[in-house]
Amino acid sequence: EIVLTQSPGTLSLSPGERATLSCRASQSVSSFLVWYQQKPGQAPRLLIYDASNRATGIPARFSGTGSGTDFTLTISSLEPEDFAIYYCQQRSNWRYTFGQGTKLEIK
Amino acid sequence: EVQLLESGGDLVQPGGSLRLSCAASGFTFKYFAMSWVRQAPGKGLEWVSAISGIGTGSTTHYADSVKGRFTISRDNSENTLYLQMDILRVEDTAVYYCAKGDTAMGILDYWGQGSLVTVSS
Repeated sequence: EIVLTQSPGTLSLSPGERATLSCRASQSVSSFLVWYQQKPGQAPRLLIYDASNRATGIPARFSGTGSGTDFTLTISSLEPEDFAIYYCQQRSNWRYTFGQGTKLEIK
Repeated sequence: EVQLLESGGDLVQPGGSLRLSCAASGFTFKYFAMSWVRQAPGKGLEWVSAISGIGTGSTTHYADSVKGRFTISRDNSENTLYLQMDILRVEDTAVYYCAKGDTAMGILDYWGQGSLVTVSS
């Protein structure tokens, strides 16, 4: 099973600041890495697929980079609605796995 | 508009069974892979099971934690996804989400609002 480790566990920032979230895989997943956003009481929402492709309707302030084992989700300038939990997920095989999540909170 | 509506969540005793359903609309259901993902109270996301679309034989896949106890299936004539859960354990307590796969395997582009399963005596 491929283990995904996200860091930091919690990130405290202010609106307008830049957020950098990390996801590291226990073995290479090539570029098959997906990012989701989840707000309290809501289902997850697809943000980024295959490491760097924004999903339909996702603002340009969200970007993803990386390949192999190290991936980054960047939010260039935080809006109030961006404070949420972010999960990475690998899809390099049918046994999908998620990271444990990074909580992005308002400082 | 894609819609996924889960149902069937309930309180069940350890060792019991439950079947979840997910009614899909707004897309050609039979062609797309579907997944179940769960989230225990206050915890992160855990992929549970997936079933491919008709084009790849509706093959099924399971997480080790549920293999042999859970069965995923689909009724393409009714646009409905199912999860039969047997030999339920306390640790299966979670909100269970139904999610649609994109054309590429493993990209979950639409999610339902979830159905709560509580396993407790």
